[in-house]
Amino acid sequence: QKEVEQDPGPLSVPEGAIVSLNCTYSNSAFQYFMWYRQYSRKGPELLMYTYSSGNKEDGRFTAQVDKSSKYISLFIRDSQPSDSATYLCAMSDRLSGNTPLVFGKGTRLSVIA
Amino acid sequence: NAGVTQTPKFRVLKTGQSMTLLCAQDMNHEYMYWYRQDPGMGLRLIHYSVGEGTTAKGEVPDGYNVSRLKKQNFLLGLESAAPSQTSVYFCASSYKLTGQGIVSRRQPQHFGDGTRLSIL
Repeated sequence: QKEVEQDPGPLSVPEGAIVSLNCTYSNSAFQYFMWYRQYSRKGPELLMYTYSSGNKEDGRFTAQVDKSSKYISLFIRDSQPSDSATYLCAMSDRLSGNTPLVFGKGTRLSVIA
Repeated sequence: NAGVTQTPKFRVLKTGQSMTLLCAQDMNHEYMYWYRQDPGMGLRLIHYSVGEGTTAKGEVPDGYNVSRLKKQNFLLGLESAAPSQTSVYFCASSYKLTGQGIVSRRQPQHFGDGTRLSIL
């Protein structure tokens, strides 16, 4: 079992829809959770960053962490064609300072105008 | 502020040739990383460095070597390229955790735009 599981999609939604992207993980020691957005032929860019459990909102984006279920989500409200990209979740264990991030495989999202 | 810059952006090699990919960051980050990204495989860590003069193996280190002679640069070398190394290579950098024994935030990684490498 991979440490981080993410549905690769592709996911296609109409403009204005609410998008839900999810990852599950197996390592209960993970404390730091990130979402990266990657446009075609570009490097991943940090979108949201949360520590431990709870919600974090930034504009149209909301990140949720449920550590009891080992489940994280990214919600995009009022989705736009410019949100079309691959979204990667990533996480790490604060106790292992030299342990790099563990990434999901990414979910490809298309928002249709 | 350039962030993380990768050189070259594209390259085609023949099997058995060697080459070096260069990563440079101007954010004074302690940590640097090399990943490869393949369809259906996601990002896989090749090697990483937690400081100048130090390197460590990641998930898929075979066939690659790295060097971190200067804090701002991290080089990835292919001594004898193989078709299985055809991929998109990403470099990333991040700050070091601060404070031993103190709960501190792990700074997220900043990525370059990748090097597309084809090996024939």
